[in-house]
Amino acid sequence: DQQVKQNSPSLSVQEGRISILNCDYTNSMFDYFLWYKKYPAEGPTFLISISSIKDKNEDGRFTVFLNKSAKHLSLHIVPSQPGDSAVYFCAATNSGGSNYKLTFGKGTLLTVNP
Amino acid sequence: NAGVMQNPRHLVRRRGQEARLRCSPMKGHSHVYWYRQLPEEGLKFMVYLQKENIIDESGMPKERFSAEFPKEGPSILRIQQVVRGDSAAYFCASSPMNGRDLAKNIQYFGAGTRLSVL
Repeated sequence: DQQVKQNSPSLSVQEGRISILNCDYTNSMFDYFLWYKKYPAEGPTFLISISSIKDKNEDGRFTVFLNKSAKHLSLHIVPSQPGDSAVYFCAATNSGGSNYKLTFGKGTLLTVNP
Repeated sequence: NAGVMQNPRHLVRRRGQEARLRCSPMKGHSHVYWYRQLPEEGLKFMVYLQKENIIDESGMPKERFSAEFPKEGPSILRIQQVVRGDSAAYFCASSPMNGRDLAKNIQYFGAGTRLSVL
């Protein structure tokens, strides 16, 4: 069973516009969420995270929103740049339990067109 | 480059052979994690190690797979008698600590080893 779901395998946006990547989770014990970006032939690179005590975290062009009641989070990239083209993974964990176990979604391939 | 180093990047084995995957954590990191990514899937946790200790191997198959992180040298993920289903990308990650402040325990990943079993 997939506890972290990224239902869009791919997303294509124009340079300068907003990219919105979505993630849903089913395990109510998850309370810490991370986004990783992955280029081909490289490992995932940490991007941004959010604790369940917040509903928003911002870092430059990247903002993550968390809706606990809907068990949904999203990553907004504004403005999108061609260098943002990559696979984006949503990951979740339980800070009170085995917090080192990250549960990943399958990823969304973002393509930013010049 | 002080990042997580994995080698080899690509490994080809025939069924029944052994595969050894190596991971050197980032400088200053003493916690190592291994994940496996099957085709079209997300990364799945396999094992968490500290120096000379296996902390949690709940994600590792019970047979043929083993992991170690010796006092000296890299962490090793060993797969004996490989089968075609073992073909995957294996990622290693490291973190500086593992406590309750997750913002300080971010896992940094290596580039992975892509294992192909013929």
